[in-house]
Order: sequence, then structure tokens, then C-alpha cells
Amino acid sequence: AQKITQTQPGMFVQEKEAVTLDCTYDTSDPSYGLFWYKQPSSGEMIFLIYQGSYDQQNATEGRYSLNFQKARKSANLVISASQLGDSAMYFCAMREVTSGGSYIPTFGRGTSLIVHP
Amino acid sequence: ETGVTQSPTHLIKTRGQQVTLRCSSQSGHNTVSWYQQALGQGPQFIFQYYREEENGRGNFPPRFSGLQFPNYSSELNVNALELDDSALYLCASSLTSGALGETQYFGPGTRLLVL
Repeated sequence: AQKITQTQPGMFVQEKEAVTLDCTYDTSDPSYGLFWYKQPSSGEMIFLIYQGSYDQQNATEGRYSLNFQKARKSANLVISASQLGDSAMYFCAMREVTSGGSYIPTFGRGTSLIVHP
Repeated sequence: ETGVTQSPTHLIKTRGQQVTLRCSSQSGHNTVSWYQQALGQGPQFIFQYYREEENGRGNFPPRFSGLQFPNYSSELNVNALELDDSALYLCASSLTSGALGETQYFGPGTRLLVL
């Protein structure tokens, strides 16, 4: 089974509108971390936001917020007031602890977001 | 503060050859991770180095190996290149390896094409 599933290969949003990018995850470990990254066409991955499995509040970072629904195993990214510069690939990722004590990250396949004027 | 840098930016090799990719971590960071990102896919974790020791590995064969140096810069070596090794190779550094929420800072990547 996929550990991280991003079901939207592509999304379009009008400038200044809000958009939600979906992410569901699969783990039996009670302790894990969820991340969202942005990857512009230049290739560099840019960290956006983090949510720990024990965090009670949804994470927010500026225009980014993470809608964390633990029971549904979903961690959707909400971008408010979209800007043209938000056009990029967006990746959801999960980090889990292995039996050896190291942290192994798994990424989804990404969602391409296009913001149009 | 200097960010994560990688060299070379692009590389073309032929099947069976060997390649070495280099990464300089962000100042003060002692942990480096390497990822392979095939076209249209998300990054796949190759391995992580913490203070010159490998401390985590993804599902990659032994022909993918690495090194971390005392200044925490790192190399990724791939032997016996195959066509499927064509990908963007990303390096990421972090302050430590010891926290689930540790932020990783990525370099711009090396694009490898195997012919």
C-alpha cells in the first residue's frame, strides 16, 4: 500500500483564491511527522509546513495551513490568497521512526498547482 | 549563511559507468540526506549520514553508496549505472538527525542522464 497518496495530479486556482491540496497517509506507528514541500521548475524543494502526530492544533505558516484529520489519516495543505508565484509541484511527505531508531521519509507523487490571473 | 550546494548541476554518463555527486551542507548542519527523484515522481530516500556515519537507508541496492566528510559535506557514488538511474538527485541537510520534525534544507539537485 502507498504510504502517501496525493490523488490530484493537477490543480488550477484563480489568483487570490484559496486552494486545498489533498494528502492521505498510511502508518501504524503512533509517532510520525507530516510535511509539505514546494518544488518550482528549478528543482529545489522548499519546506512549507510541518505537523507532528501528537500536535493538537493544526499547523499554520503564513498563507499555508495544514488541515490535519488524524482519524481519517489526512493532512491536506490549504493555501490562502493564491499568488502567481505559488505555481509549482507540491509534495506531501511523512517521516517515521524505524526499528533502528533512524527517521525514514516517504514522499507522495505530488500535485501540480497552476495559479492563473 | 550559505545554503546547500550541489555539483555538478548536470551530468551525462553511459550504462556501466560510475558517477560521484557532491553536496555541501548548510553551515552548522551535521546531517545530510540523499534522494532520487525520477521524472514525474516524488523524491525517494536513498540514505542519510550523521557525523560521518550512515544512519538510515532506503530501498536502494549497494551500488549506491555514500560518504560524509569531517566538514559534513557529502558524496553520493553510484556504480554500474543503469538507464533507470537517470533522475534528479537531491541532497538535503539538517541541523541534527534526531527529531521527527527536523527541517531539511534542499540543494538545487544534480540532473543525471544515463545513456
